[in-house]
Amino acid sequence: AQSVTQLDSQVPVFEEAPVELRCNYSSSVSVYLFWYVQYPNQGLQLLLKYLSGSTLVKSINGFEAEFNKSQTSFHLRKPSVHISDTAEYFCAVSVYGGATNKLIFGTGTLLAVQP
Amino acid sequence: GAVVSQHPSWVICKSGTSVKIECRSLDFQATTMFWYRQFPKQSLMLMATSNEGSKATYEQGVEKDKFLINHASLTLSTLTVTSAHPEDSSFYICSARPPRGGQHNEQFFGPGTRLTVL
Repeated sequence: AQSVTQLDSQVPVFEEAPVELRCNYSSSVSVYLFWYVQYPNQGLQLLLKYLSGSTLVKSINGFEAEFNKSQTSFHLRKPSVHISDTAEYFCAVSVYGGATNKLIFGTGTLLAVQP
Repeated sequence: GAVVSQHPSWVICKSGTSVKIECRSLDFQATTMFWYRQFPKQSLMLMATSNEGSKATYEQGVEKDKFLINHASLTLSTLTVTSAHPEDSSFYICSARPPRGGQHNEQFFGPGTRLTVL
């Protein structure tokens, strides 16, 4: 079975500082990895994804994540955060070619950017 | 592209009544839709997987008779919370997966429906 661990429930950071949101997963088979962002009282928006190929994936708003197979991690980073980045961030995995085709979510990390 | 809508965005109802939530894929056909439940400050928990034209597959611990799911067309799935009680109050989110997104398991999420049962 697959699982996702986001150890940090909340990450406070000052504006323009760098940030890393940690995500570790457990799976015995190949997986696809996703980061979703959720703003208050809204649904989830896909931030970025790793499907195959380059292990470093980037979003249009400056976030990036690196797939590390040996460490089973997919940490999310941004070199300089903005107030508008304040939101809940969810890491998720799905099984490649699996019959279940389900997304398994981590518990989420609240990124709180302070001025 | 790949827009999913939900209606209503919020609803308040009395205990014992039933509430229907709609999930629509606006610009693509979704053979599979998913229904999630999210409690405050918690993650999304998959309730059921809905396939067009067939019965939904419920996750363990989710009451089928309590949460009725209908996926009658390729663009619409509905979730009906029957005889709602205060403990059913939650944020319900649907997602849809286009046929070509199946290989990558990509899902597109609706904006969610806030249900409050008094």
